[in-house]
Amino acid sequence: DIQMTQSPSSLSASVGDRVTITCRASQGIRNDLGWYQQKPGKAPKRLIYAASSLQSGVPSRFSGSGSGTEFTLTISSLQPEDFATYYCLQHNSYPQTFGQGTKVEIK
Amino acid sequence: QVQLVQSGAEVKKPGASVKVSCKASGYTFTSYGISWVRQAPGQGLEWMGWISAYNGNTNYAQKLQGRVTMTTDTSTSTAYMELRSLRSDDTAVYYCARDDDGYKASLYYYYGMDVWGQGTTVTVSS
Repeated sequence: DIQMTQSPSSLSASVGDRVTITCRASQGIRNDLGWYQQKPGKAPKRLIYAASSLQSGVPSRFSGSGSGTEFTLTISSLQPEDFATYYCLQHNSYPQTFGQGTKVEIK
Repeated sequence: QVQLVQSGAEVKKPGASVKVSCKASGYTFTSYGISWVRQAPGQGLEWMGWISAYNGNTNYAQKLQGRVTMTTDTSTSTAYMELRSLRSDDTAVYYCARDDDGYKASLYYYYGMDVWGQGTTVTVSS
């Protein structure tokens, strides 16, 4: 199974801050990676697909980059509605595997 | 709009079975697969498996092999996930999600899960 190591597990940030979350795959997964946002009591919502493509309707302050084993989700200017938990998901091979999640909290 | 609506919360005793439904609307059901993901209380997301709504092919997580069955009913655009021999550590929110795949310029693509159901809480307790 491909392991996805996500960091940090949590972070505190202020509105307007630039935030970066990283996922490392235990083996190369090309660009077969998505980023998801989950708010308490809600289903995950896809933000990024194919490592760097912005999901329709998602604000442009979200961006993704990377290929192979290293991937990054960046929020350029954190907004109040962005406080949530973020997960990466590799779908290069079965079983699909998620990162452990990054909880973004208000500083 | 594309929507997945899941069945309601369930409470089951250890050893029992549960069957969760996921009704799709807003797209051609047989053109996309359905994945199932679960989330234990306070924990992360765990992929459970996938079913093709086109031909019923499945792929299950190794740890659930023998206890899980995923099916579809194309006449009602509904996917089902049945989990048997329930244990307390099966207590979780269960999600269905549509697989975002298809063809562009004759090349197959798969972009993971795009639209998700609202989740179904399954509690296993004696």
